[in-house]
Amino acid sequence: KQEVTQIPAALSVPEGENLVLNCSFTDSAIYNLQWFRQDPGKGLTSLLLIQSSQREQTSGRLNASLDKSSGRSTLYIAASQPGDSATYLCAGYQGAQKLVFGQGTRLTINP
Amino acid sequence: GAGVSQTPSNKVTEKGKYVELRCDPISGHTALYWYRQSLGQGPEFLIYFQGTGAADDSGLPNDRFFAVRPEGSVSTLKIQRTERGDSAVYLCASRHRDGNTGELFFGEGSRLTVL
Repeated sequence: KQEVTQIPAALSVPEGENLVLNCSFTDSAIYNLQWFRQDPGKGLTSLLLIQSSQREQTSGRLNASLDKSSGRSTLYIAASQPGDSATYLCAGYQGAQKLVFGQGTRLTINP
Repeated sequence: GAGVSQTPSNKVTEKGKYVELRCDPISGHTALYWYRQSLGQGPEFLIYFQGTGAADDSGLPNDRFFAVRPEGSVSTLKIQRTERGDSAVYLCASRHRDGNTGELFFGEGSRLTVL
Protein backbone atom coordinates (compact mmCIF):
# COMPACT_ATOMS: atom_id res chain seq x y z
CA LYS A 1 0.00 0.00 0.00
CA GLN A 2 1.33 3.38 -1.03
CA GLU A 3 1.74 5.92 1.76
CA VAL A 4 2.86 9.48 1.17
CA THR A 5 4.37 11.76 3.81
CA GLN A 6 5.16 15.45 3.58
CA ILE A 7 7.51 17.26 5.92
CA PRO A 8 7.28 19.89 7.25
CA ALA A 9 3.57 20.36 7.81
CA ALA A 10 4.06 24.11 7.75
CA LEU A 11 6.82 26.42 6.60
CA SER A 12 7.23 30.19 6.82
CA VAL A 13 10.01 32.00 4.98
CA PRO A 14 10.80 35.59 3.94
CA GLU A 15 10.11 36.69 0.41
CA GLY A 16 12.91 36.07 -2.07
CA GLU A 17 14.25 32.90 -0.51
CA ASN A 18 14.67 29.66 -2.39
CA LEU A 19 13.00 26.74 -0.65
CA VAL A 20 12.48 23.00 -0.87
CA LEU A 21 9.39 21.00 0.05
CA ASN A 22 9.83 17.32 0.75
CA CYS A 23 7.69 14.32 -0.05
CA SER A 24 8.42 10.68 0.69
CA PHE A 25 6.57 7.55 -0.39
CA THR A 26 6.73 3.95 0.71
CA ASP A 27 6.29 2.03 -2.53
CA SER A 28 9.25 2.55 -4.85
CA ALA A 29 7.28 0.97 -7.68
CA ILE A 30 5.58 4.30 -8.12
CA TYR A 31 4.22 5.19 -11.55
CA ASN A 32 3.84 8.94 -11.59
CA LEU A 33 4.13 11.64 -8.98
CA GLN A 34 2.18 14.85 -9.15
CA TRP A 35 2.55 18.10 -7.20
CA PHE A 36 -0.48 20.29 -6.55
CA ARG A 37 -1.17 23.67 -5.06
CA GLN A 38 -4.28 24.38 -2.99
CA ASP A 39 -5.40 27.85 -1.96
CA PRO A 40 -7.73 28.17 1.06
CA GLY A 41 -11.26 27.04 0.21
CA LYS A 42 -10.28 26.11 -3.32
CA GLY A 43 -9.67 22.98 -5.35
CA LEU A 44 -6.31 21.57 -6.37
CA THR A 45 -4.23 23.10 -9.13
CA SER A 46 -1.75 20.80 -10.82
CA LEU A 47 1.78 22.17 -10.80
CA LEU A 48 4.00 19.42 -12.14
CA LEU A 49 3.63 15.78 -13.17
CA ILE A 50 6.72 13.57 -13.13
CA GLN A 51 6.19 10.40 -15.08
CA SER A 52 7.79 7.15 -14.00
CA SER A 53 10.57 7.34 -16.58
CA GLN A 54 11.50 10.91 -15.66
CA ARG A 55 13.62 12.32 -12.86
CA GLU A 56 12.49 15.91 -12.85
CA GLN A 57 10.18 18.49 -14.33
CA THR A 58 10.44 22.26 -14.45
CA SER A 59 7.87 24.99 -14.84
CA GLY A 60 8.96 28.58 -14.38
CA ARG A 61 10.32 28.99 -10.85
CA LEU A 62 9.29 25.47 -9.89
CA ASN A 63 11.37 22.33 -10.20
CA ALA A 64 10.24 18.91 -9.02
CA SER A 65 12.48 15.88 -8.78
CA LEU A 66 11.71 12.20 -8.30
CA ASP A 67 14.09 9.61 -6.85
CA LYS A 68 12.28 6.30 -6.89
CA SER A 69 15.12 4.36 -5.30
CA SER A 70 15.07 6.49 -2.16
CA GLY A 71 11.32 7.02 -2.21
CA ARG A 72 11.56 10.79 -2.32
CA SER A 73 10.40 13.76 -4.31
CA THR A 74 11.22 17.42 -3.78
CA LEU A 75 9.59 20.59 -5.00
CA TYR A 76 12.02 23.47 -5.34
CA ILE A 77 10.64 27.02 -5.46
CA ALA A 78 13.06 29.72 -6.55
CA ALA A 79 12.84 33.35 -5.52
CA SER A 80 9.68 32.89 -3.47
CA GLN A 81 6.90 35.49 -3.61
CA PRO A 82 3.95 36.21 -1.29
CA GLY A 83 1.66 34.84 -4.01
CA ASP A 84 3.30 31.45 -3.56
CA SER A 85 1.63 31.15 -0.15
CA ALA A 86 -0.64 28.10 -0.28
CA THR A 87 -0.74 24.44 0.70
CA TYR A 88 1.40 22.20 -1.49
CA LEU A 89 0.39 18.57 -1.89
CA CYS A 90 2.30 15.73 -3.44
CA ALA A 91 0.58 12.60 -4.64
CA GLY A 92 1.89 9.29 -5.90
CA TYR A 93 0.14 6.52 -7.71
CA GLN A 94 -0.75 3.27 -5.95
CA GLY A 95 -0.88 0.92 -8.88
CA ALA A 96 -1.72 2.53 -12.18
CA GLN A 97 -4.82 4.48 -11.30
CA LYS A 98 -5.21 5.49 -7.69
CA LEU A 99 -3.53 8.71 -6.59
CA VAL A 100 -2.49 8.76 -2.92
CA PHE A 101 -1.93 12.14 -1.31
CA GLY A 102 0.30 13.40 1.44
CA GLN A 103 -1.03 15.68 4.17
CA GLY A 104 0.42 18.76 2.50
CA THR A 105 2.84 21.51 3.49
CA ARG A 106 1.30 24.86 4.33
CA LEU A 107 3.66 27.49 2.96
CA THR A 108 3.67 31.14 4.00
CA ILE A 109 5.89 33.67 2.24
CA ASN A 110 6.33 36.81 4.33
CA PRO A 111 6.73 40.14 2.50
CA GLY B 1 -16.04 22.35 -20.68
CA ALA B 2 -12.84 24.19 -19.87
CA GLY B 3 -12.39 22.54 -16.51
CA VAL B 4 -13.92 20.08 -14.08
CA SER B 5 -17.19 21.51 -12.82
CA GLN B 6 -18.78 20.54 -9.49
CA THR B 7 -22.18 21.45 -8.13
CA PRO B 8 -23.26 22.53 -5.63
CA SER B 9 -20.23 24.38 -4.35
CA ASN B 10 -21.75 24.34 -0.87
CA LYS B 11 -24.39 22.08 0.64
CA VAL B 12 -25.75 22.25 4.17
CA THR B 13 -28.02 19.45 5.23
CA GLU B 14 -29.40 17.84 8.34
CA LYS B 15 -28.33 14.55 9.77
CA GLY B 16 -30.18 11.68 8.16
CA LYS B 17 -30.92 13.43 4.89
CA TYR B 18 -29.99 12.28 1.37
CA VAL B 19 -27.46 14.28 -0.66
CA GLU B 20 -26.32 14.24 -4.29
CA LEU B 21 -23.14 15.89 -5.52
CA ARG B 22 -22.52 16.33 -9.22
CA CYS B 23 -19.32 16.33 -11.26
CA ASP B 24 -18.96 17.33 -14.90
CA PRO B 25 -15.48 16.32 -16.10
CA ILE B 26 -13.37 17.90 -18.79
CA SER B 27 -14.80 17.00 -22.19
CA GLY B 28 -13.24 13.84 -23.56
CA HIS B 29 -11.77 12.68 -20.27
CA THR B 30 -12.59 9.03 -19.79
CA ALA B 31 -11.30 8.60 -16.25
CA LEU B 32 -13.14 10.24 -13.35
CA TYR B 33 -12.26 10.21 -9.65
CA TRP B 34 -13.97 11.21 -6.42
CA TYR B 35 -11.94 12.20 -3.39
CA ARG B 36 -12.90 13.48 0.06
CA GLN B 37 -10.88 16.06 1.95
CA SER B 38 -11.30 16.81 5.63
CA LEU B 39 -9.97 20.01 7.16
CA GLY B 40 -6.18 20.06 7.31
CA GLN B 41 -5.83 16.72 5.58
CA GLY B 42 -4.87 15.56 2.12
CA PRO B 43 -7.60 14.23 -0.18
CA GLU B 44 -8.62 10.61 0.34
CA PHE B 45 -9.59 8.39 -2.56
CA LEU B 46 -13.23 7.28 -2.76
CA ILE B 47 -13.94 5.84 -6.21
CA TYR B 48 -12.59 5.77 -9.75
CA PHE B 49 -14.54 5.38 -13.00
CA GLN B 50 -13.20 4.36 -16.34
CA GLY B 51 -16.03 5.16 -18.75
CA THR B 52 -19.35 4.15 -17.21
CA GLY B 53 -18.06 1.51 -14.85
CA ALA B 54 -16.57 1.87 -11.39
CA ALA B 55 -13.10 0.40 -11.80
CA ASP B 56 -12.20 0.82 -8.13
CA ASP B 57 -14.62 1.71 -5.34
CA SER B 58 -12.41 0.54 -2.51
CA GLY B 59 -12.34 3.99 -0.90
CA LEU B 60 -16.07 4.31 -0.30
CA PRO B 61 -16.36 4.30 3.51
CA ASN B 62 -19.60 2.32 3.76
CA ASP B 63 -22.76 1.39 1.89
CA ARG B 64 -24.33 4.80 2.49
CA PHE B 65 -22.05 6.10 -0.26
CA PHE B 66 -22.69 5.35 -3.91
CA ALA B 67 -21.61 6.91 -7.19
CA VAL B 68 -22.79 6.57 -10.76
CA ARG B 69 -21.66 7.67 -14.19
CA PRO B 70 -24.37 6.33 -16.49
CA GLU B 71 -23.23 7.86 -19.78
CA GLY B 72 -19.53 7.98 -19.18
CA SER B 73 -19.43 11.72 -18.63
CA VAL B 74 -21.22 13.37 -15.69
CA SER B 75 -20.98 11.57 -12.38
CA THR B 76 -23.11 11.83 -9.25
CA LEU B 77 -21.95 10.95 -5.75
CA LYS B 78 -24.87 9.94 -3.57
CA ILE B 79 -24.83 9.86 0.22
CA GLN B 80 -27.73 8.35 2.12
CA ARG B 81 -28.64 8.96 5.76
CA THR B 82 -25.94 11.57 6.14
CA GLU B 83 -23.97 11.75 9.37
CA ARG B 84 -22.02 14.64 10.89
CA GLY B 85 -18.81 12.77 10.13
CA ASP B 86 -19.59 13.02 6.40
CA SER B 87 -18.88 16.76 6.55
CA ALA B 88 -15.95 17.42 4.24
CA VAL B 89 -15.06 18.81 0.83
CA TYR B 90 -15.80 16.31 -1.92
CA LEU B 91 -13.44 16.71 -4.85
CA CYS B 92 -13.86 15.38 -8.36
CA ALA B 93 -11.03 14.93 -10.84
CA SER B 94 -10.71 13.71 -14.40
CA ARG B 95 -7.95 12.45 -16.64
CA HIS B 96 -7.68 12.18 -20.39
CA ARG B 97 -6.99 8.52 -20.83
CA ASP B 98 -6.48 5.30 -19.02
CA GLY B 99 -3.05 4.21 -17.93
CA ASN B 100 -0.55 6.07 -15.88
CA THR B 101 0.57 8.84 -18.13
CA GLY B 102 -2.17 11.40 -17.84
CA GLU B 103 -2.27 14.43 -15.57
CA LEU B 104 -5.16 14.60 -13.10
CA PHE B 105 -7.29 17.76 -13.08
CA PHE B 106 -9.47 18.68 -10.11
CA GLY B 107 -12.63 20.70 -9.70
CA GLU B 108 -13.21 23.29 -6.99
CA GLY B 109 -15.02 20.80 -4.80
CA SER B 110 -18.40 20.58 -3.08
CA ARG B 111 -18.30 21.50 0.59
CA LEU B 112 -20.78 19.37 2.52
CA THR B 113 -21.83 20.33 6.02
CA VAL B 114 -24.06 17.96 7.95
CA LEU B 115 -25.71 19.58 10.97
